[in-house]
Formats: sequence, C-alpha cells, structure tokens
Amino acid sequence: ETGVTQTPRHLVMGMTNKKSLKCEQHLGHNAMYWYKQSAKKPLELMFVYNFKEQTENNSVPSRFSPECPNSSHLFLHLHTLQPEDSALYLCASSPGTSGAYNEQFFGPGTRLTVL
Amino acid sequence: GQNIDQPTEMTATEGAIVQINCTYQTSGFNGLFWYQQHAGEAPTFLSYNVLDGLEEKGRFSSFLSRSKGYSYLLLKELQMKDSASYLCAVVDSNYQLIWGAGTKLIIKP
Repeated sequence: ETGVTQTPRHLVMGMTNKKSLKCEQHLGHNAMYWYKQSAKKPLELMFVYNFKEQTENNSVPSRFSPECPNSSHLFLHLHTLQPEDSALYLCASSPGTSGAYNEQFFGPGTRLTVL
Repeated sequence: GQNIDQPTEMTATEGAIVQINCTYQTSGFNGLFWYQQHAGEAPTFLSYNVLDGLEEKGRFSSFLSRSKGYSYLLLKELQMKDSASYLCAVVDSNYQLIWGAGTKLIIKP
C-alpha cells in the first residue's frame, strides 16, 4: 500500500449505531488530519494530530471521537450521529505543519450516510 | 474572520486557457496551496506559493500577490480530464490551512 488509505469507502449507519473510520498513511509523515467535506462548502478541519498529539479540535461535537495510536494510524469513532453529519470524511497527512511542510496528502475518503 | 473567495463554477472550451481566481483575508499568511479534486476522489496537490510572482509547472501556473491578497491558477491547453474542482487554501499565522469552497471547472468539447 502506498499513500493514504481509508476504510471503509462507504458507510451507512443509523443514528444509534457506533462505527469507526480508519486511516493509515505510508508516507512517514508526522501530522494527520480529519476533514469533513459537504457539498459546495469548504473543507472543514475537524482534528489535527502532530507527532501523535492532538493540536486542534475545531469545536467538533463529542459524538465524533478521534484516536491516534501512532503516527501512521488515525481513527474517527462515531456514535449517535445526526442526519446532518452525512458527508465525505477525508483523512490527510503532511510531513509537518509549517509552510510547505503543510502540503497535505489525502486519502480517498469515506462517504458516510446517517439515516 | 478568515475568508477565502473563489468563483463557484466556471466553464471553458477544450484547448483554451482559463484563469481561476482566489482572494483571501486571513490572520497572517504562510503560503497558499492549490489542489485539484475530481468528482468522488481525494484532493491532489497542484502548487504552493509563498513569494509573489508566477510559478509555472507544465500546463498549470499559479500566481500570488500578497499585498492584494490574491492568487490565480492558470490552466492552458485545456483537456477534458481537467474537468474538476479546484481548491484554494491559505496557511494562516497559526499554520492552519484555511480552505475555499472550490471552483468547479467544466470543460466543453
């Protein structure tokens, strides 16, 4: 595997379910990100991990819970989601978090639908 | 507040040239990225500008004017495969990427 991978690619869940999204990067990068992408809206940064430490949490509801066990893996745990949480969830990684090191490499995303 | 403005949609003809503009108001500036995103796919890196001027990379060029808070992406010799969304993102003083909503480019034969 190369680059950034995400599983699953598609997920349909009910509002009472618990599920997890997985991201893995094979680039040796130090920073990893979770983004939410909704139609015709800017990418919304949800969480940033730099050297496995969470550095940003942009007021994301507690029904989204990130986990970063090491610098190559990132999870997003989901529970009691709402229909408005339906979106494309993108994982990205970058060599660092300053200047050109901020160049982010994205995974293919998980298309989430909440019923 | 922080703001990135791009046109929502543009249409151009195969073989022609198109310029996609991006204006920004951010707290500080540490560089500007352009990404391409095909429908249903992940964004991919196109360019990074941190100094004023034009950077050319094949059929794609990116220009930056920091004093005007302005950038553009220039696509030459358009091909059908260039139909995609083009995202502008600025690195602010906290080294966070602030994203525009993207410009959907439609190429017609």
